Amino acid sequence: GDSVIQMQGQVTLSENDFLFINCTYSTTGYPTLFWYVQYSGEGPQLLLQVTTANNKGSSRGFEATYDKGTTSFHLQKTSVQEIDSAVYYCAMRAGGNYKPTFGKGTSLVVHP
Amino acid sequence: GALVYQYPRRTICKSGTSMRMECQAVGFQATSVAWYRQSPQKTFELIALSTVNSAIKYEQNFTQEKFPISHPNLSFSSMTVLNAYLEDRGLYLCGARQVSGNTLYFGEGSRLIVV
Repeated sequence: GDSVIQMQGQVTLSENDFLFINCTYSTTGYPTLFWYVQYSGEGPQLLLQVTTANNKGSSRGFEATYDKGTTSFHLQKTSVQEIDSAVYYCAMRAGGNYKPTFGKGTSLVVHP
Repeated sequence: GALVYQYPRRTICKSGTSMRMECQAVGFQATSVAWYRQSPQKTFELIALSTVNSAIKYEQNFTQEKFPISHPNLSFSSMTVLNAYLEDRGLYLCGARQVSGNTLYFGEGSRLIVV
């Protein structure tokens, strides 16, 4: 079945540090890949999505490239800020399956 | 833009009682609505996927008898947690998808606290 594996637990950084959150996926279909961000006390918000293999999605300084060869969709940001502190979820929707599969989430804490 | 509102934001209910939560799509037509439960550990469990004019599909470990869902039109869905117990605690999220889209737009969630 479809699955998404992302780096779990907490990542602690200082402002202006480089962020990298690992995400890999498994499916027999043709996936659309997502990153959602959930701030404390709120619902998940779409951060970025990519439908086509080898394309890159970007938003608010975050980037992720749909790498079909390594079945990965890692999230990166060159310089994080304190306001980026949140839980980040990698997700996938494959083919006619309208229910995205979510990773277990990675908590990012950025200290000023 | 696409917005999803959920109500109530938070409910405290006694063990064995029920809680109904609502999901309203604003600015788009919600062809499909996915109901999730987010555990205290922050993981997502899909409860069911509801598509207008189709049967509601429940995931393993979730049943219509426990989590009845209504999706009467393209802007509204509701779900009830019947006979809630401690294991039903969590944040219930509604994710709505429009006709031609890939993306689920989520509401803020309805938090269920059982005492």
